Amino acid sequence: AQSVAQPEDQVNVAEGNPLTVKCTYSVSGNPYLFWYVQYPNRGLQFLLKYITGDNLVKGSYGFEAEFNKSQTSFHLKKPSALVSDSALYFCAAHGSSNTGKLIFGQGTTLQVKP
Amino acid sequence: DTAVSQTPKYLVTQMGNDKSIKCEQNLGHDTMYWYKQDSKKFLKIMFSYNNKELIINETVPNRFSPKSPDKAHLNLHINSLELGDSAVYFCASSQVGPGELFFGEGSRLTVL
Repeated sequence: AQSVAQPEDQVNVAEGNPLTVKCTYSVSGNPYLFWYVQYPNRGLQFLLKYITGDNLVKGSYGFEAEFNKSQTSFHLKKPSALVSDSALYFCAAHGSSNTGKLIFGQGTTLQVKP
Repeated sequence: DTAVSQTPKYLVTQMGNDKSIKCEQNLGHDTMYWYKQDSKKFLKIMFSYNNKELIINETVPNRFSPKSPDKAHLNLHINSLELGDSAVYFCASSQVGPGELFFGEGSRLTVL
């Protein structure tokens, strides 16, 4: 069965420090990987995606993610966190054999403290 | 212009009632989805339509019936509402293939 795991319910970082939100996946075929952010009482906003090519993907608001095939991971990173980055982050994936069914991880709450 | 719009944003109703949520997208996408987000924020796909045709139907009670009158609209009708149906329902759309989804702002359903 396809699955996406985000092992941390919450990540706490100080403003200005680097942040990492972890994600691992299990899909059939080549993986297509995504990160979304959800602010309170809002819909999900797309941050970045990996389809093919360079393993380091850059996205919105200074976020980036690194695809690691051997570790089946797609961790979200940012060199310097902002208080405004505090939100709920979702990793999502589907396999090349099932492009219509995007599976989401359970979400990680990022708390950036001043 | 709102890309994916859902109405109503909030819905409070009694058990046993029937309710509908409407969704429209102006992105020209071929595929639309309904996702359910539960109280623990977990997101699960319910249905997917491609150009008005049902392509994904997860294990959802048949009290839930999606309808797509055209490829820009996907509505969700729920019969005989139960307490466990309380959740936030998100509509989304995408192009065919491995592209990102564009989400609406969600419709918060509360069943009393």
